Amino acid sequence: NAGVTQTPKFQVLKTGQSMTLQCAQDMNHEYMSWYRQDPGMGLRLIHYSVGAGITDQGEVPNGYNVSRSTTEDFPLRLLSAAPSQTSVYFCASSLRDSNQPQHFGDGTRLSIL
Amino acid sequence: GQQLNQSPQSMFIQEGEDVSMNCTSSSIFNTWLWYKQEPGEGPVLLIALYKAGELTSNGRLTAQFGITRKDSFLNISASIPSDVGIYFCAGPTGGFKTIFGAGTRLFVKA
Repeated sequence: NAGVTQTPKFQVLKTGQSMTLQCAQDMNHEYMSWYRQDPGMGLRLIHYSVGAGITDQGEVPNGYNVSRSTTEDFPLRLLSAAPSQTSVYFCASSLRDSNQPQHFGDGTRLSIL
Repeated sequence: GQQLNQSPQSMFIQEGEDVSMNCTSSSIFNTWLWYKQEPGEGPVLLIALYKAGELTSNGRLTAQFGITRKDSFLNISASIPSDVGIYFCAGPTGGFKTIFGAGTRLFVKA
């Protein structure tokens, strides 16, 4: 049972490039979310989805797009990378909503030069 | 907006010591979650609390849901080197969002 799988684990981009961070879960969870983790700031919610075809904004959505075409996959797209988006990105899922504990992937470490 | 304030920010302790950390907010929460993050990994759930006043244990870990619903506490007894990591509190804000505290970094000296 893989749980939540994120790819890639590391990525370096140049300012202005676009990129998609992949996230997949095999637990048949309805709720999926993306967070970014910056030093001293905990995790901040970027976007979330309560099921296939349904997405909504979190706390820090600017510069990011998401889609949820299947229950399993929830990719995060950076449209035009900026140095301020250098961070560690975590995808998470839970059975139904954020009131339940979330299962996290191991993260993608992204550097924007 | 809603915020969770965790203290202390970091702790340096000797193996065998007990550890206490807390999480406070100006807002009421109906659920408190405690996660641990080890280097290079994502957070992992330690304890979930769903009722004011609830005291729940998981091995050497004990967490309490504050009676005012504005705070929560996590204690670790007889710390060991593998307790090293960042401990986060988290609270669902209603709807489908969860906010996290900034974390308490725990360092254990053998």
